[in-house]
Amino acid sequence: DTAVSQTPKYLVTQMGNDKSIKCEQNLGHDTMYWYKQDSKKFLKIMFSYNNKELIINETVPNRFSPKSPDKAHLNLHINSLELGDSAVYFCASSQDGRGGGYTFGSGTRLTVV
Amino acid sequence: EDQVTQSPEALRLQEGESSSLNCSYTVSGLRGLFWYRQDPGKGPEFLFTLYSAGEEKEKERLKATLTKKESFLHITAPKPEDSATYLCAVQAAGGSNYKLTFGKGTLLTVNP
Repeated sequence: DTAVSQTPKYLVTQMGNDKSIKCEQNLGHDTMYWYKQDSKKFLKIMFSYNNKELIINETVPNRFSPKSPDKAHLNLHINSLELGDSAVYFCASSQDGRGGGYTFGSGTRLTVV
Repeated sequence: EDQVTQSPEALRLQEGESSSLNCSYTVSGLRGLFWYRQDPGKGPEFLFTLYSAGEEKEKERLKATLTKKESFLHITAPKPEDSATYLCAVQAAGGSNYKLTFGKGTLLTVNP
């Protein structure tokens, strides 16, 4: 039973399209995150939600919009996709925001062509 | 701004050849330093949390240590299954700062 699951695992789309990535966790954690891992394997935080409230919003283009319908789900919607958006996007969750409790999903590889 | 620098970028070892990975950090008050392992095509997997200088944690062939400026991940008598990218991350103290700042990782390859 997967703790943090993301769908889809792979996403290939054309520039200008709008796409969504879904994330669900069954750990009962209060906090969920979106991280982006670029081609150089550098992991960088994008957003964080705690009990459905946005608490971290790094300098991410406003084409990216997270949505948390409940504390077990955090989705990422991306408008007007650009070539530079190609990366692996990881969802993660933790209890009480403590880094040691981070559980990551297996990632969504987004390729914009 | 919090910064994490890992070295070397890549390390190739023979099975049984012990070594260490380095993580240097700059943070405005450390809440915790974390080590993760990442296998190809997978998400990072948590290994250790260190909270204060002098602390050590061990798990099988891995031991993590922490000073005020850096952390080391010591690998004793590694096996091929230890091959992975090892990521270091820091979390700053204070307020509701939940984010982890990651280094770029060290790609470890252990040859049989």
